[in-house]
Amino acid sequence: DQQVKQNSPSLSVQEGRISILNCDYTNSMFDYFLWYKKYPAEGPTFLISISSIKDKNEDGRFTVFLNKSAKHLSLHIVPSQPGDSAVYFCAAISNFGNEKLTFGTGTRLTIIP
Amino acid sequence: NAGVMQNPRHLVRRRGQEARLRCSPMKGHSHVYWYRQLPEEGLKFMVYLQKENIIDESGMPKERFSAEFPKEGPSILRIQQVVRGDSAAYFCASSPEREMYNEQFFGPGTRLTVL
Repeated sequence: DQQVKQNSPSLSVQEGRISILNCDYTNSMFDYFLWYKKYPAEGPTFLISISSIKDKNEDGRFTVFLNKSAKHLSLHIVPSQPGDSAVYFCAAISNFGNEKLTFGTGTRLTIIP
Repeated sequence: NAGVMQNPRHLVRRRGQEARLRCSPMKGHSHVYWYRQLPEEGLKFMVYLQKENIIDESGMPKERFSAEFPKEGPSILRIQQVVRGDSAAYFCASSPEREMYNEQFFGPGTRLTVL
Protein backbone atom coordinates (compact mmCIF):
# COMPACT_ATOMS: atom_id res chain seq x y z
CA ASP A 1 0.00 0.00 0.00
CA GLN A 2 1.96 2.99 -1.32
CA GLN A 3 0.58 5.97 0.61
CA VAL A 4 2.97 8.45 -1.01
CA LYS A 5 3.40 8.18 -4.75
CA GLN A 6 5.83 9.73 -7.16
CA ASN A 7 4.58 8.58 -10.52
CA SER A 8 7.50 9.86 -12.58
CA PRO A 9 10.57 7.71 -12.00
CA SER A 10 12.72 10.12 -14.00
CA LEU A 11 12.74 13.65 -15.39
CA SER A 12 15.17 15.50 -17.63
CA VAL A 13 15.28 19.29 -17.71
CA GLN A 14 17.47 21.77 -19.55
CA GLU A 15 19.80 23.83 -17.36
CA GLY A 16 18.23 27.18 -16.49
CA ARG A 17 14.66 25.95 -16.98
CA ILE A 18 12.15 25.04 -14.29
CA SER A 19 12.05 21.53 -12.84
CA ILE A 20 8.69 20.39 -11.47
CA LEU A 21 8.54 17.22 -9.40
CA ASN A 22 5.17 15.85 -8.38
CA CYS A 23 3.94 13.81 -5.45
CA ASP A 24 0.51 12.42 -4.54
CA TYR A 25 -0.64 10.97 -1.25
CA THR A 26 -3.63 8.97 -0.13
CA ASN A 27 -3.57 9.24 3.68
CA SER A 28 -5.65 12.21 4.81
CA MET A 29 -3.92 12.08 8.22
CA PHE A 30 -0.68 13.36 6.70
CA ASP A 31 -0.22 16.95 7.75
CA TYR A 32 3.46 17.72 7.18
CA PHE A 33 5.40 17.15 4.00
CA LEU A 34 9.09 17.22 3.18
CA TRP A 35 11.30 16.95 0.15
CA TYR A 36 14.67 15.23 0.34
CA LYS A 37 17.44 15.10 -2.24
CA LYS A 38 19.70 12.09 -2.52
CA TYR A 39 22.98 11.56 -4.32
CA PRO A 40 24.27 8.02 -4.97
CA ALA A 41 25.95 6.39 -1.96
CA GLU A 42 24.84 9.22 0.35
CA GLY A 43 22.00 9.70 2.76
CA PRO A 44 19.01 11.89 1.90
CA THR A 45 19.45 15.62 2.50
CA PHE A 46 16.54 17.75 3.61
CA LEU A 47 15.49 20.41 1.10
CA ILE A 48 12.23 22.03 2.09
CA SER A 49 9.04 21.27 3.98
CA ILE A 50 5.46 22.46 4.22
CA SER A 51 2.76 22.20 6.83
CA SER A 52 -0.79 21.35 5.82
CA ILE A 53 -1.96 24.76 7.03
CA LYS A 54 -0.03 26.37 4.19
CA ASP A 55 -0.28 26.02 0.43
CA LYS A 56 3.16 27.33 -0.50
CA ASN A 57 6.62 27.53 0.98
CA GLU A 58 9.61 29.09 -0.72
CA ASP A 59 13.32 28.84 0.00
CA GLY A 60 15.65 30.31 -2.59
CA ARG A 61 15.34 28.37 -5.83
CA PHE A 62 13.01 25.82 -4.25
CA THR A 63 9.26 26.21 -3.83
CA VAL A 64 6.85 23.58 -2.60
CA PHE A 65 3.14 23.82 -3.37
CA LEU A 66 0.48 21.86 -1.51
CA ASN A 67 -3.05 21.20 -2.79
CA LYS A 68 -4.82 19.49 0.09
CA SER A 69 -8.08 18.90 -1.72
CA ALA A 70 -6.24 17.05 -4.47
CA LYS A 71 -3.79 15.43 -2.04
CA HIS A 72 -1.00 16.64 -4.27
CA LEU A 73 2.24 18.50 -3.76
CA SER A 74 4.93 19.64 -6.10
CA LEU A 75 8.49 20.88 -5.86
CA HIS A 76 9.60 23.61 -8.23
CA ILE A 77 13.28 24.30 -8.83
CA VAL A 78 14.09 27.40 -10.78
CA PRO A 79 16.49 27.94 -12.38
CA SER A 80 17.67 24.34 -12.56
CA GLN A 81 21.40 23.78 -12.19
CA PRO A 82 23.61 20.77 -13.01
CA GLY A 83 24.17 20.17 -9.29
CA ASP A 84 20.46 19.58 -8.90
CA SER A 85 20.82 16.24 -10.68
CA ALA A 86 19.87 13.70 -8.00
CA VAL A 87 16.99 11.54 -6.81
CA TYR A 88 14.25 13.52 -5.08
CA PHE A 89 12.03 11.92 -2.48
CA CYS A 90 8.75 13.26 -1.24
CA ALA A 91 7.93 12.31 2.37
CA ALA A 92 4.98 12.79 4.68
CA ILE A 93 4.31 12.72 8.41
CA SER A 94 1.02 11.83 10.05
CA ASN A 95 -0.01 13.79 13.11
CA PHE A 96 -0.53 10.46 14.84
CA GLY A 97 2.55 8.77 13.46
CA ASN A 98 5.30 9.55 15.94
CA GLU A 99 7.05 11.54 13.23
CA LYS A 100 8.02 8.55 11.14
CA LEU A 101 8.49 9.58 7.53
CA THR A 102 6.55 7.83 4.78
CA PHE A 103 8.54 8.16 1.59
CA GLY A 104 7.62 8.07 -2.06
CA THR A 105 9.67 5.95 -4.46
CA GLY A 106 11.65 8.91 -5.77
CA THR A 107 12.14 10.79 -9.03
CA ARG A 108 15.55 10.87 -10.69
CA LEU A 109 16.13 14.41 -11.97
CA THR A 110 18.76 14.97 -14.64
CA ILE A 111 19.73 18.51 -15.55
CA ILE A 112 21.05 18.76 -19.08
CA PRO A 113 23.79 21.39 -19.53
CA ASN B 1 29.11 19.91 14.48
CA ALA B 2 29.47 16.44 13.01
CA GLY B 3 26.48 15.02 11.20
CA VAL B 4 24.86 11.65 11.73
CA MET B 5 27.51 8.95 11.67
CA GLN B 6 26.90 5.41 10.55
CA ASN B 7 29.30 2.51 10.48
CA PRO B 8 30.26 0.44 8.81
CA ARG B 9 29.50 2.01 5.44
CA HIS B 10 29.57 -1.38 3.77
CA LEU B 11 28.95 -4.74 5.37
CA VAL B 12 29.11 -8.15 3.74
CA ARG B 13 27.64 -11.15 5.53
CA ARG B 14 26.92 -14.74 4.61
CA ARG B 15 23.48 -16.21 5.12
CA GLY B 16 22.91 -17.10 8.76
CA GLN B 17 25.42 -14.61 10.19
CA GLU B 18 24.58 -11.59 12.30
CA ALA B 19 24.77 -7.99 11.14
CA ARG B 20 25.24 -5.07 13.53
CA LEU B 21 24.73 -1.56 12.21
CA ARG B 22 25.67 1.44 14.31
CA CYS B 23 24.38 4.98 14.29
CA SER B 24 25.59 7.99 16.24
CA PRO B 25 23.06 10.84 16.07
CA MET B 26 23.97 14.47 15.72
CA LYS B 27 25.10 16.15 18.90
CA GLY B 28 22.12 17.21 20.95
CA HIS B 29 19.68 14.93 19.11
CA SER B 30 17.77 12.45 21.23
CA HIS B 31 15.50 10.91 18.58
CA VAL B 32 16.77 8.20 16.24
CA TYR B 33 14.98 6.59 13.30
CA TRP B 34 16.02 3.64 11.15
CA TYR B 35 14.91 3.27 7.52
CA ARG B 36 15.61 0.61 4.93
CA GLN B 37 15.89 1.16 1.19
CA LEU B 38 15.60 -1.85 -1.04
CA PRO B 39 16.96 -1.56 -4.61
CA GLU B 40 14.85 0.72 -6.82
CA GLU B 41 12.50 1.56 -3.94
CA GLY B 42 11.95 4.44 -1.56
CA LEU B 43 13.00 4.42 2.07
CA LYS B 44 10.74 2.45 4.42
CA PHE B 45 10.44 3.28 8.11
CA MET B 46 11.59 0.55 10.48
CA VAL B 47 11.86 1.85 14.03
CA TYR B 48 11.85 5.06 16.10
CA LEU B 49 13.81 5.26 19.34
CA GLN B 50 14.59 7.71 22.08
CA LYS B 51 17.25 7.13 24.68
CA GLU B 52 16.62 3.70 26.23
CA ASN B 53 13.12 3.52 24.74
CA ILE B 54 11.57 2.08 21.60
CA ILE B 55 8.77 4.44 20.66
CA ASP B 56 7.51 2.84 17.44
CA GLU B 57 8.74 -0.39 15.87
CA SER B 58 5.79 -0.92 13.56
CA GLY B 59 8.00 -1.07 10.46
CA MET B 60 10.45 -3.62 11.76
CA PRO B 61 10.07 -7.34 10.98
CA LYS B 62 8.95 -9.23 14.08
CA GLU B 63 11.69 -11.82 13.83
CA ARG B 64 15.47 -11.53 13.57
CA PHE B 65 15.49 -7.71 13.79
CA SER B 66 16.06 -5.67 16.93
CA ALA B 67 17.12 -2.13 17.75
CA GLU B 68 18.37 -0.29 20.77
CA PHE B 69 19.49 3.19 21.72
CA PRO B 70 21.28 2.92 25.07
CA LYS B 71 21.88 5.73 27.50
CA GLU B 72 25.50 5.83 26.40
CA GLY B 73 26.80 5.00 22.96
CA PRO B 74 25.32 4.67 19.49
CA SER B 75 22.03 3.21 18.39
CA ILE B 76 22.38 -0.37 17.15
CA LEU B 77 20.27 -2.15 14.54
CA ARG B 78 20.86 -5.87 14.84
CA ILE B 79 19.84 -8.46 12.25
CA GLN B 80 20.24 -12.07 13.27
CA GLN B 81 20.56 -14.98 10.83
CA VAL B 82 20.63 -12.72 7.79
CA VAL B 83 19.02 -13.82 4.53
CA ARG B 84 19.57 -12.54 0.99
CA GLY B 85 16.41 -10.46 1.20
CA ASP B 86 18.01 -8.37 3.96
CA SER B 87 20.45 -6.91 1.39
CA ALA B 88 19.64 -3.22 1.33
CA ALA B 89 20.84 0.21 2.35
CA TYR B 90 20.00 1.00 5.97
CA PHE B 91 19.76 4.66 6.88
CA CYS B 92 19.69 6.20 10.30
CA ALA B 93 18.25 9.66 10.94
CA SER B 94 18.15 11.83 14.02
CA SER B 95 16.20 14.84 15.19
CA PRO B 96 16.24 17.06 18.29
CA GLU B 97 13.56 17.35 20.94
CA ARG B 98 10.65 18.64 19.01
CA GLU B 99 8.38 21.61 19.44
CA MET B 100 6.24 20.57 16.51
CA TYR B 101 7.77 18.73 13.61
CA ASN B 102 11.46 18.62 12.98
CA GLU B 103 13.35 17.66 9.91
CA GLN B 104 15.27 14.45 10.23
CA PHE B 105 18.98 14.49 9.43
CA PHE B 106 20.19 11.35 7.71
CA GLY B 107 23.46 9.51 7.91
CA PRO B 108 25.28 8.18 4.84
CA GLY B 109 23.82 4.71 5.28
CA THR B 110 25.16 1.20 5.66
CA ARG B 111 25.00 -0.99 2.59
CA LEU B 112 24.43 -4.57 3.66
CA THR B 113 25.14 -7.33 1.18
CA VAL B 114 24.19 -10.88 2.10
CA LEU B 115 25.97 -13.55 0.08
